[in-house]
Amino acid sequence: AQKITQTQPGMFVQEKEAVTLDCTYDTSDPSYGLFWYKQPSSGEMIFLIYQGSYDQQNATEGRYSLNFQKARKSANLVISASQLGDSAMYFCAMREMNYGGSQGNLIFGKGTKLSVKP
Amino acid sequence: DAGITQSPRHKVTETGTPVTLRCHQTENHRYMYWYRQDPGHGLRLIHYSYGVKDTDKGEVSDGYSVSRSKTEDFLLTLESATSSQTSVYFCATAVDRVNSPLHFGNGTRLTVT
Repeated sequence: AQKITQTQPGMFVQEKEAVTLDCTYDTSDPSYGLFWYKQPSSGEMIFLIYQGSYDQQNATEGRYSLNFQKARKSANLVISASQLGDSAMYFCAMREMNYGGSQGNLIFGKGTKLSVKP
Repeated sequence: DAGITQSPRHKVTETGTPVTLRCHQTENHRYMYWYRQDPGHGLRLIHYSYGVKDTDKGEVSDGYSVSRSKTEDFLLTLESATSSQTSVYFCATAVDRVNSPLHFGNGTRLTVT
């Protein structure tokens, strides 16, 4: 079973609008972290935002926020006021702290390609 | 980011030849990783290191070996390259394996013909 599922292979959003990128995860570990990365067409991987499983509040970083719904095991990325430079691949990733062979390592989803239209 | 340099940036090689990719970091991060990125698969972990001479396998380690003789260098070797190893390879580092993010190098595009 996939640990990280990103169900939207591609999405379009109009410039200046908000967009939500979906991410669901699967773990029985009570201690884990969730990460979002951006990969523009130039290829580099850029860290955007982090949410710990015990964090009480949703993480925010500038125009990025993480809509963390623990019971539903979802960690959606919300980008407010989209800009043309937001066009990129976005990856959700999880790190389990205690259980499983992947303990401590980041496991990535397959990504969502976001295109911002002018 | 985090002073991570991958070399070479691009390489074309023939099936059956050995290939070594190098990752060099200047941030003194303890943890280092090699991932491969393929369309439709996201990033998959090949090997990782949790200290000098301490390495372990990741999800897709078959056909790959690694070495870390110094904190700053992490080498990935394909002993006998195959076409299925055509990919983009990313090196990454981390301060810890709790809540710190991975910092990535710019990637190496490897083509095996």
